[in-house]
Formats: sequence, C-alpha cells, structure tokens
Amino acid sequence: DAKTTQPPSMDCAEGRAANLPCNHSTISGNEYVYWYRQIHSQGPQYIIHGLKNNETNEMASLIITEDRKSSTLILPHATLRDTAVYYCIVQGGSEKLVFGKGMKLTVNP
Amino acid sequence: EPEVTQTPSHQVTQMGQEVILRCVPISNHLYFYWYRQILGQKVEFLVSFYNNEISEKSEIFDDQFSVERPDGSNFTLKIRSTKLEDSAMYFCASSEDYRDSEAFFGQGTRLTVV
Repeated sequence: DAKTTQPPSMDCAEGRAANLPCNHSTISGNEYVYWYRQIHSQGPQYIIHGLKNNETNEMASLIITEDRKSSTLILPHATLRDTAVYYCIVQGGSEKLVFGKGMKLTVNP
Repeated sequence: EPEVTQTPSHQVTQMGQEVILRCVPISNHLYFYWYRQILGQKVEFLVSFYNNEISEKSEIFDDQFSVERPDGSNFTLKIRSTKLEDSAMYFCASSEDYRDSEAFFGQGTRLTVV
C-alpha cells in the first residue's frame, strides 16, 4: 500500500504558487520521492522526482526536508490546467509505482 | 515529445470473451508496465516487463492475464476470459529504468465488459 500521506484536497488561486505537501515518514534511504498527476481520467503524468536534494524542472520544484520524512511540490504559477489529482509516491527497490488516493488540487480563477 | 500510444481508446466486449489491449512504448525504453484504474478508484499496478519477461506482477495479475512484446515495438495485455469486474481504464507505461527514471503513461484504453 501507499507509504505516503497527502491531504485529500486543496484550492489555489490562478497565478499563485501552489504548495502541495506530502508526508513519507517511513521512507528508506534508497527510495525516491515521485510526483505524478492525473487530469480527469487521462494517464498519469510525471512531474518531478528526487532522492534528497531539492529539484526543479520546467513544471515544478520539489523540496525534500533534510530528514526526508516529508516533501512539498511547488507549482510556481498555477493555471486552470493544473487542476488535477496529484500523487506523491515513494519508490525504491520495486519496479511498481504505488498510487494512493492522491490530492485533488483545484485552481480557481 | 515522445509518447506512449494505446489502442483502442475504448473497447466493449462480452463477458467471457478474450481481449487484447495494445501499446506502443517509447522506442528506447527498456521497462514496460500495465496499470488499471477501476472507475472512481486508485491506479493499480498489474505487471512490469523487462528483457522479454515479466519482472514483477501484482496479485491482480492472475492466470487470465498475459503480456507479450511480439515484435519489438508493441506491448500487449491479453485478458483471456473477461469478467464484469475487469471493466476499467488500462494504462500502459514505459521507462528507461525503474529507478531514478520517469515513467511515461499512455492515455489508456477504457474496457467495458457487458
């Protein structure tokens, strides 16, 4: 089962930064933190991943705490198209991604 | 941008019939996966495939399921005798590696068993 905890939902105003939290207190040293999102019933879309350093790409930034027990996904300027279910996933030795219920982000105009 | 393509987008089949869902993964990827999502529920892992064999599978992936990479480009999921509870979105995915690597998902095949 999923080893992460996310709030069920969050609202954000368009144009503002969206900060999506995730707890993964049982993460092991060799496990990565991944973020994916799913818009409606489309296929999950990769956003970003990291091991212990903060990461940034064209979509988002990932901030991982020093003890690695939690992380925050930051969408710097949320748009209406960012409305989706966001999944925080911890993956290590297994090949599978274990999706939880995720967090529904609603970006409001 | 490279993408994973799945066909058909929607398949309706009668209970007990065999169905084959098709996927074209990204060409230089080595790991291939099938996931499914029953309406309103979580995305569930079914199987991963590497080096022409199943490398990991879930409890869902029982004897009625099989996967194949018949020609080096396609990756298929066969359900031998469909049941009503097999109705779901089936997603194919591929990745260069399973660690430290992003998985690209297709847009899915909606399977409806009647």
